[in-house]
Amino acid sequence: EVRLVESGGGLVQPGGSLRLSCAASGFSFGNYWMSWVRQAPGKGLEWVANIKSDGSEKYHVDSVKGRFTVSRDNAKNSLSLQLNRLRPDDAAVYYCVRDGTSGPWEALEMWGQGTMVTVSS
Amino acid sequence: SYVLTQPPSVPVAPGETASITCGGVDIERKSVHWYQQKPGQSPVLVIYSDADRPSGIPERFSGSNSGNTATLTISRLEAGDEADYYCQVWDSSTGHRVFGGGTKLTVL
Repeated sequence: EVRLVESGGGLVQPGGSLRLSCAASGFSFGNYWMSWVRQAPGKGLEWVANIKSDGSEKYHVDSVKGRFTVSRDNAKNSLSLQLNRLRPDDAAVYYCVRDGTSGPWEALEMWGQGTMVTVSS
Repeated sequence: SYVLTQPPSVPVAPGETASITCGGVDIERKSVHWYQQKPGQSPVLVIYSDADRPSGIPERFSGSNSGNTATLTISRLEAGDEADYYCQVWDSSTGHRVFGGGTKLTVL
Protein backbone atom coordinates (compact mmCIF):
# COMPACT_ATOMS: atom_id res chain seq x y z
CA GLU A 1 0.00 0.00 0.00
CA VAL A 2 1.29 3.42 -0.96
CA ARG A 3 1.58 5.68 2.07
CA LEU A 4 2.66 9.30 2.43
CA VAL A 5 2.77 10.58 5.99
CA GLU A 6 3.54 14.23 6.64
CA SER A 7 4.82 15.68 9.89
CA GLY A 8 6.36 18.86 11.24
CA GLY A 9 3.46 21.27 11.02
CA GLY A 10 2.48 23.54 13.88
CA LEU A 11 2.16 27.11 15.10
CA VAL A 12 4.98 29.50 14.28
CA GLN A 13 5.39 33.25 14.56
CA PRO A 14 5.74 35.43 11.47
CA GLY A 15 9.34 35.38 10.35
CA GLY A 16 9.91 31.97 11.90
CA SER A 17 10.90 28.63 10.39
CA LEU A 18 9.56 25.09 10.15
CA ARG A 19 10.71 21.91 8.50
CA LEU A 20 8.06 19.62 7.06
CA SER A 21 8.80 15.97 6.44
CA CYS A 22 7.08 13.25 4.47
CA ALA A 23 7.72 9.56 5.03
CA ALA A 24 6.98 7.49 1.95
CA SER A 25 6.36 3.75 1.79
CA GLY A 26 4.83 1.12 -0.45
CA PHE A 27 6.55 2.18 -3.67
CA SER A 28 10.01 2.77 -5.14
CA PHE A 29 10.44 6.30 -3.82
CA GLY A 30 13.64 6.97 -5.73
CA ASN A 31 11.88 6.53 -9.09
CA TYR A 32 9.31 9.28 -8.62
CA TRP A 33 9.15 13.03 -8.80
CA MET A 34 7.59 14.41 -5.60
CA SER A 35 5.67 17.59 -4.87
CA TRP A 36 4.35 19.77 -2.08
CA VAL A 37 0.91 21.31 -2.54
CA ARG A 38 -0.78 23.59 -0.01
CA GLN A 39 -4.31 24.69 0.73
CA ALA A 40 -5.11 27.72 2.84
CA PRO A 41 -8.24 27.45 5.01
CA GLY A 42 -11.33 27.62 2.80
CA LYS A 43 -9.23 28.18 -0.33
CA GLY A 44 -8.13 26.21 -3.36
CA LEU A 45 -5.06 24.12 -4.07
CA GLU A 46 -1.70 25.77 -4.72
CA TRP A 47 1.33 23.88 -5.99
CA VAL A 48 4.38 24.88 -3.92
CA ALA A 49 7.40 22.91 -5.11
CA ASN A 50 8.58 19.71 -6.72
CA ILE A 51 11.79 17.74 -7.05
CA LYS A 52 13.04 15.24 -9.57
CA SER A 53 13.51 11.62 -8.62
CA ASP A 54 17.27 11.98 -8.19
CA GLY A 55 17.07 15.47 -6.68
CA SER A 56 18.85 17.09 -9.62
CA GLU A 57 15.98 19.43 -10.50
CA LYS A 58 13.84 21.51 -8.17
CA TYR A 59 11.10 24.05 -8.85
CA HIS A 60 9.33 26.42 -6.47
CA VAL A 61 6.32 28.68 -6.98
CA ASP A 62 7.37 32.33 -7.19
CA SER A 63 5.69 33.29 -3.91
CA VAL A 64 8.02 31.01 -1.90
CA LYS A 65 11.26 31.29 -3.88
CA GLY A 66 14.14 32.20 -1.63
CA ARG A 67 12.16 31.25 1.48
CA PHE A 68 11.19 27.57 1.00
CA THR A 69 13.43 24.73 -0.15
CA VAL A 70 12.38 21.24 -1.19
CA SER A 71 14.77 18.33 -0.69
CA ARG A 72 14.75 14.54 -0.55
CA ASP A 73 16.70 11.62 0.87
CA ASN A 74 16.13 8.56 -1.29
CA ALA A 75 18.04 6.34 1.10
CA LYS A 76 15.46 7.18 3.79
CA ASN A 77 12.42 7.41 1.48
CA SER A 78 11.89 10.90 2.77
CA LEU A 79 10.80 14.25 1.31
CA SER A 80 11.27 17.56 3.12
CA LEU A 81 10.24 21.18 2.82
CA GLN A 82 12.18 23.83 4.72
CA LEU A 83 10.01 26.88 5.37
CA ASN A 84 11.86 30.07 6.33
CA ARG A 85 10.72 33.67 6.84
CA LEU A 86 7.14 32.50 7.20
CA ARG A 87 4.31 34.93 6.56
CA PRO A 88 0.66 34.80 7.64
CA ASP A 89 -0.38 33.97 4.07
CA ASP A 90 1.75 30.80 4.22
CA ALA A 91 -0.73 29.31 6.68
CA ALA A 92 -2.21 26.22 5.08
CA VAL A 93 -2.44 22.47 5.03
CA TYR A 94 0.66 21.20 3.26
CA TYR A 95 0.28 17.98 1.29
CA CYS A 96 3.07 15.64 0.26
CA VAL A 97 2.25 14.28 -3.19
CA ARG A 98 3.68 11.60 -5.42
CA ASP A 99 4.16 12.67 -9.02
CA GLY A 100 4.86 10.32 -11.91
CA THR A 101 8.14 8.77 -12.95
CA SER A 102 8.70 10.60 -16.21
CA GLY A 103 8.37 14.30 -15.50
CA PRO A 104 6.43 17.19 -13.97
CA TRP A 105 3.82 17.13 -16.73
CA GLU A 106 2.34 14.00 -15.23
CA ALA A 107 -0.56 13.93 -12.80
CA LEU A 108 -0.25 14.12 -9.03
CA GLU A 109 -1.10 10.52 -8.39
CA MET A 110 -1.14 10.02 -4.63
CA TRP A 111 -1.66 12.49 -1.80
CA GLY A 112 -0.81 12.37 1.88
CA GLN A 113 -3.21 13.48 4.60
CA GLY A 114 -1.49 16.82 5.03
CA THR A 115 0.08 18.74 7.89
CA MET A 116 -1.23 22.09 9.11
CA VAL A 117 0.99 25.15 9.33
CA THR A 118 -0.33 28.13 11.29
CA VAL A 119 1.53 31.44 11.18
CA SER A 120 0.46 33.83 13.90
CA SER A 121 1.85 35.95 16.67
CA SER B 1 2.16 32.80 -15.74
CA TYR B 2 -0.44 30.44 -17.10
CA VAL B 3 -3.98 30.89 -15.74
CA LEU B 4 -6.76 28.30 -15.48
CA THR B 5 -10.33 29.50 -15.02
CA GLN B 6 -13.11 27.38 -13.51
CA PRO B 7 -16.70 28.30 -12.59
CA PRO B 8 -17.02 28.65 -8.80
CA SER B 9 -20.05 26.39 -8.58
CA VAL B 10 -22.08 23.95 -10.64
CA PRO B 11 -25.46 22.70 -9.35
CA VAL B 12 -26.91 19.55 -10.91
CA ALA B 13 -29.77 17.22 -10.05
CA PRO B 14 -29.11 13.57 -9.16
CA GLY B 15 -29.07 11.27 -12.16
CA GLU B 16 -28.20 14.12 -14.51
CA THR B 17 -24.86 14.92 -16.16
CA ALA B 18 -22.48 17.51 -14.70
CA SER B 19 -19.96 19.34 -16.87
CA ILE B 20 -17.17 21.30 -15.21
CA THR B 21 -15.05 23.48 -17.46
CA CYS B 22 -11.46 24.61 -17.19
CA GLY B 23 -10.40 27.47 -19.44
CA GLY B 24 -6.89 28.37 -20.51
CA VAL B 25 -5.12 29.80 -23.55
CA ASP B 26 -4.54 26.94 -26.02
CA ILE B 27 -5.17 24.47 -23.24
CA GLU B 28 -5.63 21.76 -25.87
CA ARG B 29 -1.82 21.81 -26.23
CA LYS B 30 -1.43 20.83 -22.60
CA SER B 31 -2.17 17.68 -20.64
CA VAL B 32 -4.99 18.37 -18.17
CA HIS B 33 -5.52 16.51 -14.92
CA TRP B 34 -8.58 16.62 -12.63
CA TYR B 35 -8.84 16.12 -8.87
CA GLN B 36 -11.80 15.56 -6.59
CA GLN B 37 -11.72 16.80 -3.01
CA LYS B 38 -14.46 16.01 -0.54
CA PRO B 39 -14.80 18.02 2.70
CA GLY B 40 -12.08 17.19 5.20
CA GLN B 41 -10.29 14.84 2.81
CA SER B 42 -7.19 14.95 0.63
CA PRO B 43 -7.61 15.40 -3.12
CA VAL B 44 -7.98 12.33 -5.32
CA LEU B 45 -6.96 12.09 -8.97
CA VAL B 46 -10.02 11.29 -11.11
CA ILE B 47 -8.83 12.07 -14.67
CA TYR B 48 -5.28 12.33 -16.01
CA SER B 49 -3.87 13.31 -19.39
CA ASP B 50 -7.13 14.90 -20.51
CA ALA B 51 -9.29 11.78 -20.59
CA ASP B 52 -7.72 8.78 -18.84
CA ARG B 53 -9.17 7.32 -15.64
CA PRO B 54 -7.03 5.90 -12.84
CA SER B 55 -7.98 2.46 -11.64
CA GLY B 56 -10.89 2.57 -9.23
CA ILE B 57 -12.49 5.66 -10.73
CA PRO B 58 -15.98 4.91 -12.13
CA GLU B 59 -16.60 5.07 -15.87
CA ARG B 60 -19.13 7.82 -15.12
CA PHE B 61 -16.13 10.18 -14.97
CA SER B 62 -14.76 11.33 -18.31
CA GLY B 63 -12.68 14.18 -19.68
CA SER B 64 -12.08 16.08 -22.88
CA ASN B 65 -9.84 18.90 -24.04
CA SER B 66 -10.25 21.11 -27.09
CA GLY B 67 -9.34 24.64 -28.06
CA ASN B 68 -9.27 26.81 -24.95
CA THR B 69 -11.45 24.59 -22.75
CA ALA B 70 -11.02 21.29 -20.97
CA THR B 71 -14.10 19.61 -19.52
CA LEU B 72 -14.72 17.09 -16.77
CA THR B 73 -18.00 15.27 -17.28
CA ILE B 74 -19.73 13.20 -14.61
CA SER B 75 -22.74 11.24 -15.80
CA ARG B 76 -25.55 9.69 -13.74
CA LEU B 77 -24.72 12.01 -10.88
CA GLU B 78 -24.83 10.60 -7.35
CA ALA B 79 -24.96 12.35 -3.98
CA GLY B 80 -21.47 11.05 -3.28
CA ASP B 81 -20.08 13.02 -6.21
CA GLU B 82 -20.65 16.27 -4.35
CA ALA B 83 -17.18 17.75 -3.91
CA ASP B 84 -14.73 20.39 -5.07
CA TYR B 85 -13.08 19.66 -8.40
CA TYR B 86 -9.77 21.13 -9.58
CA CYS B 87 -8.12 21.10 -12.98
CA GLN B 88 -4.34 21.25 -13.26
CA VAL B 89 -1.68 21.55 -15.95
CA TRP B 90 2.07 21.89 -16.22
CA ASP B 91 3.34 25.21 -17.55
CA SER B 92 6.38 24.31 -19.62
CA SER B 93 7.53 27.93 -19.82
CA THR B 94 8.10 28.12 -16.06
CA GLY B 95 8.37 24.47 -15.07
CA HIS B 96 5.55 25.05 -12.61
CA ARG B 97 2.30 23.25 -12.01
CA VAL B 98 -0.84 25.34 -12.11
CA PHE B 99 -4.25 24.67 -10.56
CA GLY B 100 -7.59 26.13 -11.47
CA GLY B 101 -9.48 27.90 -8.73
CA GLY B 102 -11.77 24.94 -8.16
CA THR B 103 -15.46 24.24 -8.77
CA LYS B 104 -17.91 23.22 -6.07
CA LEU B 105 -20.23 20.59 -7.50
CA THR B 106 -23.55 20.58 -5.68
CA VAL B 107 -25.96 17.68 -6.12
CA LEU B 108 -29.40 19.22 -5.70
